[in-house]
Amino acid sequence: AQSVTQLGSHVSVSEGALVLLRCNYSSSVPPYLFWYVQYPNQGLQLLLKYTSAATLVKGINGFEAEFKKSETSFHLTKPSAHMSDAAEYFCAVSGYGGSQGNLIFGKGTKLSVKP
Amino acid sequence: DAGVIQSPRHEVTEMGQEVTLRCKPISGHDYLFWYRQTMMRGLELLIYFNNNVPIDDSGMPEDRFSAKMPNASFSTLKIQPSEPRDSAVYFCASSLARTSGNTIYFGEGSWLTVV
Repeated sequence: AQSVTQLGSHVSVSEGALVLLRCNYSSSVPPYLFWYVQYPNQGLQLLLKYTSAATLVKGINGFEAEFKKSETSFHLTKPSAHMSDAAEYFCAVSGYGGSQGNLIFGKGTKLSVKP
Repeated sequence: DAGVIQSPRHEVTEMGQEVTLRCKPISGHDYLFWYRQTMMRGLELLIYFNNNVPIDDSGMPEDRFSAKMPNASFSTLKIQPSEPRDSAVYFCASSLARTSGNTIYFGEGSWLTVV
C-alpha cells in the first residue's frame, strides 16, 4: 500500500529565505509523486509531479522537488520565499504506481512567510 | 477549459436534512473523485468513479453517504440525514488516467456546515 508522511504541520520562514517542505513516501511499486498547493478558501492546485523521468522536477512559482529513491523522499524547495507562497502544501502519491487514478495525500504542511 | 465545477460553494443546513453536492468534471476526463477535508482528518478520499462506474467506495463513512454518476458530465454526493460531524469541505476532482502522471484537477470545494 502507498502512504505519504509530511514532516512538520507548520513551517515558518522569512521572506527571501529558503523554503524546504519535507515528504517521505512508502510504495511497493514505482511511485508517481505530486505536490499540490492550497490557498485559503480554494481548491488544490498542482505544483509539480514526478513520473519516473528526471529526478529533479521543476514546477510553477519557482518550486522544485527532487525524487530520492534511496531516501524515499520527495522534498519541496524554493530558494527564496515570497509572501504569496503562504499556503498549505500537500504531498501525494499515486496509488498502484500510477496505474490507477486515485491519489493518497499527506496531512499537509502550512507555510507561513514573515515579512 | 472551465475546470471542475462544484455547487453549491457554501451550504448551511440543519441536522437531519438531506444535502446534495453537485459536480461537473472536466470534459473528457474519465476519473471522478470525491474528497472530504477536515482539520482533524485532513484530505480523505470518499469514492471514485471510472467511466461513471464506482470503483472504490471504501472511504464513504457510512450509509448516510451516497454518490452517483449518471453520466460523464455530472456527479452527486448525497448525505441523508446530515449530522454536525459531516461539516467539512467536500472536493470533487477529475483526471484523465492512463496518461503519464494521472494529474488530478480539483474543484473549488463545497463548504458544508451542519448545525
